[in-house]
Amino acid sequence: AQTVTQSQPEMSVQEAETVTLSCTYDTSENNYYLFWYKQPPSRQMILVIRQEAYKQQNATENRFSVNFQKAAKSFSLKISDSQLGDTAMYFCAFMKNTGTASKLTFGTGTRLQVTL
Amino acid sequence: KAGVTQTPRYLIKTRGQQVTLSCSPISGHRSVSWYQQTPGQGLQFLFEYFSETQRNKGNFPGRFSGRQFSNSRSEMNVSTLELGDSALYLCASSLAGATEAFFGQGTRLTVV
Repeated sequence: AQTVTQSQPEMSVQEAETVTLSCTYDTSENNYYLFWYKQPPSRQMILVIRQEAYKQQNATENRFSVNFQKAAKSFSLKISDSQLGDTAMYFCAFMKNTGTASKLTFGTGTRLQVTL
Repeated sequence: KAGVTQTPRYLIKTRGQQVTLSCSPISGHRSVSWYQQTPGQGLQFLFEYFSETQRNKGNFPGRFSGRQFSNSRSEMNVSTLELGDSALYLCASSLAGATEAFFGQGTRLTVV
C-alpha cells in the first residue's frame, strides 16, 4: 500500500513571493505518477502539475514546479510569484502506473494562504 | 466542453435513510472514480468504474455501492446512513489510457 505525507498543515506567503510545499511518499512500486492538486473554496479539485516517476527531469507548469527526488521519495511543489488566486488547499497524490487513470492516494493537504 | 457534473450539490439526510448521488463525466470519458472527503479521514478512494464494470474498490463497508451506465454516467448509493457518512463526495472522470483525472465540484452530504 502507498502512503503520502504532507507535514505542513498550513502555510502563508506574501503576494509575489515564492513558497515550497513538502510531500513525501512511501511505495514499493517503481512505475508511478505523482500529482499536486489544488482545491479552492469552490471545492473542485484542479490538477496543478504531474510528474512521471521514470522521468528524471522535474516537471514545470508556468509558475509551478516540482522537486522530485525519487530515491528520497520526496515531491515538493514550488510556487513562484504567488498570487491571491493561489490561496487554496493543496494535495499531493500518488497513482500507480497501470496504463490509465486509476486510484489516487492523497496526502492530508496543506492550506496555503497568500496575503497582500 | 462541459466538465464533470455532480448532482445534487447539497443533500441533507436522516440517519438510517439511503441516498443516491449522480456523476456525469466529461463527454468521451469512460472511467469514473469516487472519493470521500472528510476533515478527519481526508480524501479516500471509494471505487472506480470503467465501461460499466467496477475495476477497483476502496476499503469501505458494503453500504457503499456504485454503478455505471452505458452512457458512462455513474451513481453511488449509500444505504443505512450513519452520522459519519457526512462528507464531500467527489467524482472524477478520465479518458481511457490517460492519467489525468478531472474532478467535479462534489456533493456535500450531511447526515443528521
